[in-house]
Amino acid sequence: QQQVKQSPQSLIVQKGGISIINCAYENTAFDYFPWYQQFPGKGPALLIAIRPDVSEKKEGRFTISFNKSAKQFSLHIMDSQPGDSATYFCAAPNSGYSTLTFGKGTMLLVSP
Amino acid sequence: GEEVAQTPKHLVRGEGQKAKLYCAPIKGHSYVFWYQQVLKNEFKFLISFQNENVFDETGMPKERFSAKCLPNSPCSLEIQATKLEDSAVYFCASSQSLGLAGINEQFFGPGTRLTVL
Repeated sequence: QQQVKQSPQSLIVQKGGISIINCAYENTAFDYFPWYQQFPGKGPALLIAIRPDVSEKKEGRFTISFNKSAKQFSLHIMDSQPGDSATYFCAAPNSGYSTLTFGKGTMLLVSP
Repeated sequence: GEEVAQTPKHLVRGEGQKAKLYCAPIKGHSYVFWYQQVLKNEFKFLISFQNENVFDETGMPKERFSAKCLPNSPCSLEIQATKLEDSAVYFCASSQSLGLAGINEQFFGPGTRLTVL
């Protein structure tokens, strides 16, 4: 099963700062890499996703940067807000897309 | 519906009792996934369905866990003879389609918190 290694485990950022979360994967065969956001007591929700035919995807304050040769992708949250405080998970599909393998999550706290 | 629905929200069982969880996928979604999230936030994949057919069951502890997705009924995940280590939040997700040509987003329900005492 594809492994996804996520770091850091937790992150504290001041309001207005940039939050950066990194993920590394093993299998180069697949091409869909989503980031999910989860608030306490809720299910995860898709935040942004990228296919490796592009090196970067931006949606509002959220950007995924993708480095195919290094097998790494990262989430950047610009102008971080207290409402961004949540746990973020990167993920990657397995063979056949029959499941997603999730990273272990990053707990982000944006201080006012 | 437009959201994945899961029932019950909370479930408490004594060790050795049976637990049954339900999931109604988003209307029109062909794929259903079950995940277990334990206290340290880690997601463990359990099983996925394509309509009523098992798609991938590599994550299922087959001795005590079973799941079904029958036509015109909510999908279900059943745990026979629950153990303390089964305490977790169980999430169901649904997806419209999969693969390169498909829409891969998995929409998650709010989860069922199972507590085994």
